Amino acid sequence: AQSVSQHNHHVILSEAASLELGCNYSYGGTVNLFWYVQYPGQHLQLLLKYFSGDPLVKGIKGFEAEFIKSKFSFNLRKPSVQWSDTAEYFCAVKVYGQNFVFGPGTRLSVLP
Amino acid sequence: KAGVTQTPRYLIKTRGQQVTLSCSPISGHRSVSWYQQTPGQGLQFLFEYFSETQRNKGNFPGRFSGRQFSNSRSEMNVSTLELGDSALYLCASSPEGAVSFGDTQYFGPGTRLTVL
Repeated sequence: AQSVSQHNHHVILSEAASLELGCNYSYGGTVNLFWYVQYPGQHLQLLLKYFSGDPLVKGIKGFEAEFIKSKFSFNLRKPSVQWSDTAEYFCAVKVYGQNFVFGPGTRLSVLP
Repeated sequence: KAGVTQTPRYLIKTRGQQVTLSCSPISGHRSVSWYQQTPGQGLQFLFEYFSETQRNKGNFPGRFSGRQFSNSRSEMNVSTLELGDSALYLCASSPEGAVSFGDTQYFGPGTRLTVL
């Protein structure tokens, strides 16, 4: 069965710092990849997704992610974080015919 | 379009009781998936329903069941509640679900279940 791992359980940054959250998956075939965000007290929202084409995907709120097939990775990045980015971030993978598989999540705390 | 709605938002039950949670998907979406979210465990897949049929099931005991109605609304039932069932239960809808390669899931706000 495929699995998704996220490198960090909790990341603490100061405002304006750069962010990179790691995500790796185990499936060797074609995948769709997603990053979701869950702000405190809110429901999960889609940040960005990769289906095919340009491996550098841009999402909402200045986030981007890069798909590196050889590394089975889909890391999330943001050049300058804000206090409002404090949230939990989930990476997810979808394979044809199977359901979404989510990583355990990374909690991001941004200090003002 | 209205988003995914879930009712109730909060529930408090005692061990041994049973509970039913409801989910209304985005209009036009035929796939509804349920997840259990607990701290440190992330989102654990419970099951997916599509066109009133359970299409996939996660690794949960038979106490967890669900169904989907002809209007795509879905219910999830947990019988004989245990303390460990305390969690946020999330519903997600998508147009086609597992058989589609281009699907995106959209989540509801969840039902926070506390078992005492």
